Amino acid sequence: NAGVTQTPKFQVLKTGQSMTLQCAQDMNHNSMYWYRQDPGMGLRLIYYSASEGTTDKGEVPNGYNVSRLNKREFSLRLESAAPSQTSVYFCASISGASSGNTIYFGEGSWLTVV
Amino acid sequence: AQSVAQPEDQVNVAEGNPLTVKCTYSVSGNPYLFWYVQYPNRGLQFLLKYITGDNLVKGSYGFEAEFNKSQTSFHLKKPSALVSDSALYFCAVRDNTGGFKTIFGAGTRLFVKA
Repeated sequence: NAGVTQTPKFQVLKTGQSMTLQCAQDMNHNSMYWYRQDPGMGLRLIYYSASEGTTDKGEVPNGYNVSRLNKREFSLRLESAAPSQTSVYFCASISGASSGNTIYFGEGSWLTVV
Repeated sequence: AQSVAQPEDQVNVAEGNPLTVKCTYSVSGNPYLFWYVQYPNRGLQFLLKYITGDNLVKGSYGFEAEFNKSQTSFHLKKPSALVSDSALYFCAVRDNTGGFKTIFGAGTRLFVKA
């Protein structure tokens, strides 16, 4: 019963390097999200995908790109990492109206940019 | 634009006493409202939600929340706190007018003392 799986769990990057955070869900959900969590800031929405083939900007999209590869997978890419992108990243998917509109979160990815 | 405010960074309560964690929101149309809990180094776990119906919503671990439309509030409550309730609590709101954005508050850290 995997739910939402995201990788890697920990990553250290140098400024200017690129990387992709991977996320997959096995609950057949249409909508998926990427959030970042910073102390005192709560969770801020980076990008979301309402359904396969669509993506939209959230509250803090600058410096990120996303790809909704298929219904299961939603990846987040940092093209040129900056120290301000040091954060904990959470992928999530949401069940539809018939299942109560509940968000399911992955366990998080701790990213440090030095 | 939708927004969520959790006015207290931290709430302290003695074990056995009632607890309240406050949340107010702003959203176009009727809201979907959620409470999530986060334990250290973990993802967020769903506690309860309000979609429609009774203003008093009961959720996991003995928590409940009251939806107050006139005050645009959705405060989390528990009649008798446990030390194990100590965690970070997030309120969230989703626009139900067709959008899929779910916005979270900054979080409130709950400390329950034995």
